Amino acid sequence: KAGVTQTPRYLIKTRGQQVTLSCSPISGHRSVSWYQQTPGQGLQFLFEYFSETQRNKGNFPGRFSGRQFSNSRSEMNVSTLELGDSALYLCASSLDRDGNNEQFFGPGTRLTVL
Amino acid sequence: GQNIDQPTEMTATEGAIVQINCTYQTSGFNGLFWYQQHAGEAPTFLSYNVLDGLEEKGRFSSFLSRSKGYSYLLLKELQMKDSASYLCAVTGYNQGGKLIFGQGTELSVKP
Repeated sequence: KAGVTQTPRYLIKTRGQQVTLSCSPISGHRSVSWYQQTPGQGLQFLFEYFSETQRNKGNFPGRFSGRQFSNSRSEMNVSTLELGDSALYLCASSLDRDGNNEQFFGPGTRLTVL
Repeated sequence: GQNIDQPTEMTATEGAIVQINCTYQTSGFNGLFWYQQHAGEAPTFLSYNVLDGLEEKGRFSSFLSRSKGYSYLLLKELQMKDSASYLCAVTGYNQGGKLIFGQGTELSVKP
């Protein structure tokens, strides 16, 4: 069974640009969550999508948005990039059924904003 | 609000036992996860505790006390490959896939 995949793995952008990151969950998993990981702040929850709807949201500005497609694949978008957005962006999927909400993480997308 | 505390770093010797503590304050607590993350890699699932008590899984065990807002991860027969960051994360009731993570404990295993 294939794991969670994320593309691209590495990305370099400049301030003011926008970026779209993609996540394909494990087959059959209905929930996809996004996290930002930085050395100073650790792993912080961005948002979660379930059945194409945003189910939970973290405390990030509106520049961070996402969506989920009918096949459970998810994308997140960051507009008007700032230097502080440089981070590892992790996506996690879970079955989320019968109390099973163990999250499986993808390898992440390393975003560098110059 | 939510607050999760764990030590920043720990050092232990190969073959020994180490206990990594995690304390949390959160409303609507549902369960607690432990993840392992090697440098440059994604976090991997270690354990999930919902009820009080100890859950054992091979060399790793995890304990939870809901009344005390406390958990620990116990690693036995330490190996060099156990050097990694250990992340404690809590999930709230009806919060689905939303995990709130602690800052992580960087464990160094020395020969």
